[in-house]
Amino acid sequence: GAGVSQSPSNKVTEKGKDVELRCDPISGHTALYWYRQSLGQGLEFLIYFQGNSAPDKSGLPSDRFSAERTGGSVSTLTIQRTQQEDSAVYLCASRTTPATNEKLFFGSGTQLSVL
Amino acid sequence: RKEVEQDPGPFNVPEGATVAFNCTYSNSASQSFFWYRQDCRKEPKLLMSVYSSGNEDGRFTAQLNRASQYISLLIRDSKLSDSATYLCVVNEDNFNKFYFGSGTKLNVKP
Repeated sequence: GAGVSQSPSNKVTEKGKDVELRCDPISGHTALYWYRQSLGQGLEFLIYFQGNSAPDKSGLPSDRFSAERTGGSVSTLTIQRTQQEDSAVYLCASRTTPATNEKLFFGSGTQLSVL
Repeated sequence: RKEVEQDPGPFNVPEGATVAFNCTYSNSASQSFFWYRQDCRKEPKLLMSVYSSGNEDGRFTAQLNRASQYISLLIRDSKLSDSATYLCVVNEDNFNKFYFGSGTKLNVKP
């Protein structure tokens, strides 16, 4: 079956431009996470969506970052006025619920390069 | 202070060796623990969960020490295909938050 799908796989942009990254979770997965991974680093939590609840935005590094999830499925992470330090791999993961199912399924990520 | 700390390595071991990684976590209220594997330029994938009583899956053994707040992963009879980065993951807030360590890199050499 289809896994978590992310697009684009690579994005090169100029400093100051806005970018949108898309995540299509596994069908039926109600929980969706965005993480960021810089070169040689671990995964940094950005935002978490669970069903119709208000998202947990506590990991977003600045107000240039925002995310939405429409219809409880596809999610878009938007970075406004990109900076060079935003360059990283942006990973999306989804999980089914209830909470007894703890496995995260990751997409292949979007490699963002800000020039 | 980071939620999860790991020795970045790399651990360079010959085939057939036994290797162990440790990971410490800062929040004593953490609920669940996992090891993920990440191959170069790939997404992380769940290797195994870590249970309080310890658990084994083939050549892999995971242990949890809540009193000392650390988790370990033991790999016996290392294979070339075990070469990867191993990420320690801690869950808080009833599975709503998963914190990842920076990973420990393992190189298994022939």
